Amino acid sequence: NAGVTQTPKFQVLKTGQSMTLQCAQDMNHNSMYWYRQDPGMGLRLIYYSASEGTTDKGEVPNGYNVSRLNKREFSLRLESAAPSQTSVYFCASSPDRSSYEQYFGPGTRLTVT
Amino acid sequence: GEDVEQSLFLSVREGDSSVINCTYTDSSSTYLYWYKQEPGAGLQLLTYIFSNMDMKQDQRLTVLLNKKDKHLSLRIADTQTGDSAIYFCAESIQGGSYIPTFGRGTSLIVHP
Repeated sequence: NAGVTQTPKFQVLKTGQSMTLQCAQDMNHNSMYWYRQDPGMGLRLIYYSASEGTTDKGEVPNGYNVSRLNKREFSLRLESAAPSQTSVYFCASSPDRSSYEQYFGPGTRLTVT
Repeated sequence: GEDVEQSLFLSVREGDSSVINCTYTDSSSTYLYWYKQEPGAGLQLLTYIFSNMDMKQDQRLTVLLNKKDKHLSLRIADTQTGDSAIYFCAESIQGGSYIPTFGRGTSLIVHP
């Protein structure tokens, strides 16, 4: 099993450009999450999907949209990138929303110039 | 204010014990976790403790929970250079989504 995979690993965008970060898991998990990690800030939840067909905002949703495409895939879209969105983005999954363990992908390092 | 606080850096010599500390604010926390992040990688759950426990030991790792002071610690015995990583403390609350709230992470540097 690959676990949680993310593409791309690195991306550089210009201000105003758009892009979609892809995430997929092969563990048959119901719940999936998007976090951003900034230096010295820990992880902050952007959006999550408790189950296929549902999405909810996290702590820092502004400037992002998400799509739970199917049970395996959960994408994060930046419609108009801003320098403040320069960060490392992590996708995670868990068996369901009451599971205590999350499984993380390797991250996407995004730079917005 | 921040829900979970931890110091940002810890430097130890190889073979010594490391103690990473964390304080949290929510007395209704049900699970408290330690995640490890190696360079260039995602987070990996290292260990966790239920709030009705005081201590949990797993090989070289010992987790201590002081509910009165809302203080959590992770002790790594016989620290190795391979233990160099960022360690995140996190809490989650029963009855909610169990989505953890993370601290800022403690960078552990192990010197040979």
